[in-house]
Amino acid sequence: AIQMTQSPSSLSASVGDRVTITCRASQGIRIDLGWYQQKPGKAPKLLIYAASSLQSGVPSRFSGSGSGTDFTLTISSLQPEDFATYYCLQHYNYPWTFGQGTKVEIK
Amino acid sequence: QVQLVQSGAEVKKPGASVKVSCKASGYTFTGYNMHWVRQAPGQGLEWMGWINPNSGGTNYAQKFQGRVTMTRDTSISTAYMELSRLRSDDTAVYYCASSIAVTGQCDYWGQGTLVTVSS
Repeated sequence: AIQMTQSPSSLSASVGDRVTITCRASQGIRIDLGWYQQKPGKAPKLLIYAASSLQSGVPSRFSGSGSGTDFTLTISSLQPEDFATYYCLQHYNYPWTFGQGTKVEIK
Repeated sequence: QVQLVQSGAEVKKPGASVKVSCKASGYTFTGYNMHWVRQAPGQGLEWMGWINPNSGGTNYAQKFQGRVTMTRDTSISTAYMELSRLRSDDTAVYYCASSIAVTGQCDYWGQGTLVTVSS
C-alpha cells in the first residue's frame, strides 16, 4: 500500500497567516491526490482534487500543488473558519490511503 | 441536491456484526461507486473499500477482507456496509462517500454512523 506522510501533524497559526501543509507519497501517484478539511463531529469536505483543482464552492484562498510524490496544500490567508484538521488522500491505486492529518489550531 | 443519509448509531458486543446503511438521493445511484471510510475516536481517516452500485462489484482494503461485505439495493438507492466479528478497535464513525463530480475523489459524504463495540 502507498504510504502518505503528512506534515506537520499540527500547527498553530493566526488569522491572516499563510499556512502550508505537505503530503509525501511513498511512490509516484501522478496527480491522483485530494485534500480534505474536517471539523469536529462533521464529515470531511473535499477542497482540492487532482492535486491542484479547486472544488466547486471552495474559497480561492485554498490552493494545491505538486505531482509525483510531493504535494502541498496552501491557505493564503487563514480565516477563523479554517481552523480544522486537513487530510490528503491518494486514489492512484488500491487501497486508497489518507495522510495522518494536520490539525490547524489558533495561535 | 445530492444527499447521503446514513442509519443511526449502533452499540454492539464483541464478536457481533453491524450493518450500516446509506441512502442516496439527488443523483443516479447506479452511476457512481460508493466508498466507505471509517474514523476511530480521535484518529485519522481509513478507507475501507467501495461498491459499484450498478454491477455490485466490490473492492475491499486487504485489512478488512473476510470481515466486510458491501452490498446495495438499487430499488431504494441504498448501499450497505456490514462488518462482522467486531472487536473493540472497530469502534469508529463509519462514513459512506460517493464520487459524483469528475474529481476522482469522494465529493459527497454521509453524516457518519457511530458504531460502538463494547461488552
